[in-house]
Formats: sequence, structure tokens, C-alpha cells
Amino acid sequence: KQEVTQIPAALSVPEGENLVLNCSFTDSAIYNLQWFRQDPGKGLTSLLLIQSSQREQTSGRLNASLDKSSGRSTLYIAASQPGDSATYLCAVGAGAAGNKLTFGGGTRVLVKP
Amino acid sequence: EPEVTQTPSHQVTQMGQEVILRCVPISNHLYFYWYRQILGQKVEFLVSFYNNEISEKSEIFDDQFSVERPDGSNFTLKIRSTKLEDSAMYFCASSDQGMNEQYFGPGTRLTVT
Repeated sequence: KQEVTQIPAALSVPEGENLVLNCSFTDSAIYNLQWFRQDPGKGLTSLLLIQSSQREQTSGRLNASLDKSSGRSTLYIAASQPGDSATYLCAVGAGAAGNKLTFGGGTRVLVKP
Repeated sequence: EPEVTQTPSHQVTQMGQEVILRCVPISNHLYFYWYRQILGQKVEFLVSFYNNEISEKSEIFDDQFSVERPDGSNFTLKIRSTKLEDSAMYFCASSDQGMNEQYFGPGTRLTVT
């Protein structure tokens, strides 16, 4: 059974510092990995999707890497801003059609001005 | 920008009652999903739906649950006889292809009393 873990559970950084968020998964037979942002009491906003054949994906200040063989992904957020404060979730896609997402517990990020 | 919408935003019901949660996926998407998040816990996959049938479901999705696409725009989740432990945030999601990015709605908070 796939298990997805995100450590640390919470992180606090001063504004301007780069953020490094980790995600690990136990079964490397995945189709893709998706990073989301969740604000308190709100839905999930998709940030990046990495297909299993890719090593990296970038969008603006965000960069995500994927190492399938070691079961790890890292999300980098450059030059953090207070507006980046949120919970960040990773989810791996697997299952019969490759679209059953298994989520980690998230990393709660606070960027202090 | 197209988005997934869900109604109602909050539903309160008594144990044993039936509830229907409604979703309008992004218009050109073909794959539809339901997830739930119990307060303080991980987001969990419930079911995926494609071509008018369930393509995958989790062990949570028992006989009390059903999904339907009653017309060309809506996607519904029905819980026949709600239990206290069904209290959660229910998210609908959609994607254009099976292994592409999933876009989530804002969620329906279901409270069973």
C-alpha cells in the first residue's frame, strides 16, 4: 500500500528565504506526482505536475524535482513571500488508470515578514 | 480561468439521512473524482469516474456511496444513510486526461449530527 510522507509537518522562515519542502513515497510504481497548495478551510490549488518520466518541472518561483527510484520529490520555492504561507501537499498518482492520488499529510509553511 | 465548482459549501444533516453533493467539473474534462478530508487528516481518494462508469474506487467507497453524471455538466456524490464518521470536507476534481493534472473544487463541508 502506497504511503506518502512529508517532513517537516511545519516550517517557519523569514521572508526572502528559499523554501525546501520534502515528499517521500514508499512505492516507486507511480505515474505522476502533483504538488498542491491548501489555504485554511479552502480547496486544493494545483501548483505543479511531474510525470514519472520527468525529473523536474518549473513554474515561476517554483521548481519540483522527482527521483522515482529513491521515492522522493522536493518542491523549491525561491525568495519566499508572506503570501506563500499555506499548507503544501504532495500526491502521487497510481492505480489502475494512474489517476488515483495518494496524499501526504502536508507541510504547513509560515513566511514571516 | 475555468474552475471546478461545488454546491453546497456547507451541508448539515442528521445521521441516517441521505445527502447529495454536487459538482460542476471543468467543461472539457472527461475524468471526474471525489476525495474527502476528515478534519486534521490526509486527503483520501474515494472514486474516479470516466465514460459514465466508475473506473476505480477505494475501500471507503462502500455501498452507502454512489456517483452519477446526471447530465452533461453535473457530477454528484450520494451518501445514502449518513454516519457521524462521514463528517468531512468532500472535494470534487476533474482532469482532461487520465494522468494529467487534477483540478480541485473548493469543497463541501459535510457535518453529520
